[in-house]
Amino acid sequence: ETGVTQTPRHLVMGMTNKKSLKCEQHLGHNAMYWYKQSAKKPLELMFVYSLEERVENNSVPSRFSPECPNSSHLFLHLHTLQPEDSALYLCASSQDYRGELFFGEGSRLTVL
Amino acid sequence: TQLLEQSPQFLSIQEGENLTVYCNSSSVFSSLQWYRQEPGEGPVLLVTVVTGGEVKKLKRLTFQFGDARKDSSLHITAAQPGDTGLYLCAGARGTYKYIFGTGTRLKVLA
Repeated sequence: ETGVTQTPRHLVMGMTNKKSLKCEQHLGHNAMYWYKQSAKKPLELMFVYSLEERVENNSVPSRFSPECPNSSHLFLHLHTLQPEDSALYLCASSQDYRGELFFGEGSRLTVL
Repeated sequence: TQLLEQSPQFLSIQEGENLTVYCNSSSVFSSLQWYRQEPGEGPVLLVTVVTGGEVKKLKRLTFQFGDARKDSSLHITAAQPGDTGLYLCAGARGTYKYIFGTGTRLKVLA
């Protein structure tokens, strides 16, 4: 596989469920990101990891919990979400802090 | 709040027409990127501009970075249906910080 892959592509969950989104990059990049894309709003940066260390946490509610076990994998653990959290969650990677972002295809989340 | 405003928000044109999309901010960026996103996919980088006044061409697409590095434009010549998509600009501010624009949704009709 090449590039950035995200699973699942689609997820429907209730407000009391716990689920996780997974991202894997095969590009040898050092940084990985979670972005949220909602209708009519710009892409919102949620978290950034550089060499497995969290370097950015953009005031994201604690019901979103990121995990970066190594430089190739990034998870977003979801717990007690709200309907307004329904969105497309995009994972991206970059070689360094100035490089271009390579995005995955996204995980479309619907919270009922 | 740092904001990148894109205009127009929506654009529907006929094949063969020219168009320009604008990306404006009151903030200075060290570099600016343009991405295109198609339905069901993540954004894909088109170009990065770094120097104020820089112009880059990618086939029928021409990108310009403003002299003060606060704004940018994307011009498409002779648009084709394959150009349809969501165009996003993103400004780099500091380390790992990309501020994305509000987006321009382009539809090119055959």
